[in-house]
Amino acid sequence: NAGVTQTPKFRVLKTGQSMTLLCAQDMNHEYMYWYRQDPGMGLRLIHYSVGEGTTAKGEVPDGYNVSRLKKQNFLLGLESAAPSQTSVYFCASSYLRTDTQYFGPGTRLTVL
Amino acid sequence: KNEVEQSPQNLTAQEGEFITINCSYSVGISALHWLQQHPGGGIVSLFMLSSGKKKHGRLIATINIQEKHSSLHITASHPRDSAVYICAVYHGSQGNLIFGKGTKLSVKP
Repeated sequence: NAGVTQTPKFRVLKTGQSMTLLCAQDMNHEYMYWYRQDPGMGLRLIHYSVGEGTTAKGEVPDGYNVSRLKKQNFLLGLESAAPSQTSVYFCASSYLRTDTQYFGPGTRLTVL
Repeated sequence: KNEVEQSPQNLTAQEGEFITINCSYSVGISALHWLQQHPGGGIVSLFMLSSGKKKHGRLIATINIQEKHSSLHITASHPRDSAVYICAVYHGSQGNLIFGKGTKLSVKP
């Protein structure tokens, strides 16, 4: 099992550009999450999904959109990147909401 | 005030020392997680607990629900334990994990 994978691992964008981060899990988990991690702050939830076709806002959803068209994939989109979105993005998944979460390796995004 | 507070923020220890990392929270919770973030950035879950104590190898996690406090202990610390240790709680009304800022541990040989 690959667990949770994320692509790409690194990306540099210019302000105003768009991109999509892909998260894939092969554990048949219902719940998937997108977090961002910034220096001096704890992980913060951007959006999450409780199953195929569902999405919900987390703590810091502004400027991001998500989609969960297939159970194993959770996409995070930035329509018009801003320097404030420079961060490390982690995807995670879990079988139940309060279960152990399994994290992807992270994507380091820099917006110039 | 942060809902999840960890102490210390940074900790340097000599190999072999007993280490304690503390986590205090201010909200009612259904479960608490301890996670480890490796120097390379990867995050793995160490423990999930809602009461009492759990042990895995040299790692021990305890929780006191009444005092809203949890501790992570590492016995016979080793340089490979060097990492950031993160406490996170499930707040019942929000239903999602709330993370502490982490404790950076460095174990010197």
